[in-house]
Amino acid sequence: GAVVSQHPSWVICKSGTSVKIECRSLDFQATTMFWYRQFPKQSLMLMATSNEGSKATYEQGVEKDKFLINHASLTLSTLTVTSAHPEDSSFYICSARAAGHRDTGELFFGEGSRLTVL
Amino acid sequence: RKEVEQDPGPFNVPEGATVAFNCTYSNSASQSFFWYRQDCRKEPKLLMSVYSSGNEDGRFTAQLNRASQYISLLIRDSKLSDSATYLCVVKGDAGNMLTFGGGTRLMVKP
Repeated sequence: GAVVSQHPSWVICKSGTSVKIECRSLDFQATTMFWYRQFPKQSLMLMATSNEGSKATYEQGVEKDKFLINHASLTLSTLTVTSAHPEDSSFYICSARAAGHRDTGELFFGEGSRLTVL
Repeated sequence: RKEVEQDPGPFNVPEGATVAFNCTYSNSASQSFFWYRQDCRKEPKLLMSVYSSGNEDGRFTAQLNRASQYISLLIRDSKLSDSATYLCVVKGDAGNMLTFGGGTRLMVKP
């Protein structure tokens, strides 16, 4: 199956700092990537849809100025949590759909990034 | 009401048992349905798609009831390695967005 790599896996930072998370599709081109957030014992919540070469589409309630998404190439999307606060601590997961899987609905997920803001 | 609802569990079952999970969805126009498996602190992975006629993959059987708007997953002969959270996922009628249920946690014990 298609491989999606996410980095870093773990990050601990002080309140007020910014954290960048990278999501790469390793063996396919992803025109669209999705960013999810998952709090403990809860399901994945879609934050935004990242489209290569254009602005991301954010879900209701997600602050676009706080969660900056850049999808500069067909294989890389980044999520920057700006001025992170303890309530931003969560598991952030990216996913992408390979071209041939558009109709199957299968998403390939990165390994996730666990953010802890002190 | 949540778009996709699942009993969070946990379901504690002995090895070899048969266990079933249900999931209900609110959007009658939903097009596609899936079960994903998520291990603790890991990313979700597709377990199987759910087809209208029902489908089976080894010990796993998925069924869809459009009239009642629910999906089920049956696991036969449970293994210890089946312990995980099972996410019901629904694809809507617009765009490619997938909506995840809250997940049902399964714990299979020796």
